[in-house]
Amino acid sequence: DIQMTQSPTSLSASVGDRVTITCRPSQNIYKYLNWYHHRPGKAPQLLIFSSSSLHTGVSSRFRGSGSGTEFTLTIDSLQPEDFATYYCQQAYTTPWTFGQGTRVEIK
Amino acid sequence: VYLQESGPGLVKPSETLALSCSVSGDSIDGGGYYWTWVRQLPGKGLEWIGSIHSVGSIHYNPSLKSRVALSQDIAGNQFSLNLTSVTEADSALYYCTRVDAVTGAHHFDPWGQGTLVTVSS
Repeated sequence: DIQMTQSPTSLSASVGDRVTITCRPSQNIYKYLNWYHHRPGKAPQLLIFSSSSLHTGVSSRFRGSGSGTEFTLTIDSLQPEDFATYYCQQAYTTPWTFGQGTRVEIK
Repeated sequence: VYLQESGPGLVKPSETLALSCSVSGDSIDGGGYYWTWVRQLPGKGLEWIGSIHSVGSIHYNPSLKSRVALSQDIAGNQFSLNLTSVTEADSALYYCTRVDAVTGAHHFDPWGQGTLVTVSS
């Protein structure tokens, strides 16, 4: 299985901050990388697919980049609704696997 | 598109966990998607369980393959998960979701709200 390692596992930030989360798969997955955010009690939501494509309806303050074995999710100007847990997911091969999550908390 | 999980919230050890996912706003035999189950173990991340496509192809996570079966009810526009011989380690929040099967991006969208299953005697 492809192991997905996210860093950091948690971070504290303030509204308006820029936040960057990194995801490193254990092997080359080209650009087959998706990002989600998940708020407690809510359904996970797709943010970015294929490394850098913004999902329909998602704010442009979310940006994805990377390929191969290193990917980043950047959130520009953090908003109150952005405090959540973020997951990366490799879509290169089954079993599809997720990172362990990065919890973004209010400072 | 809306997905809604249903099933018992409490299952006894060694029994079978059976969940259904009702889909509205899309047809599960449309061919463009894998209909999928994911779970979140307590305090842990997300784990893909398996996916079923309308043409009949099914993919399972090897870690669960010996205990999992997915099926679909085309007429009822729903799909189901059976997990046999459950233990307390199978207690989790179970989600159904839709995975793109056309572009190769294999992104999971949308998701149901999730249903909490506890395995306990």
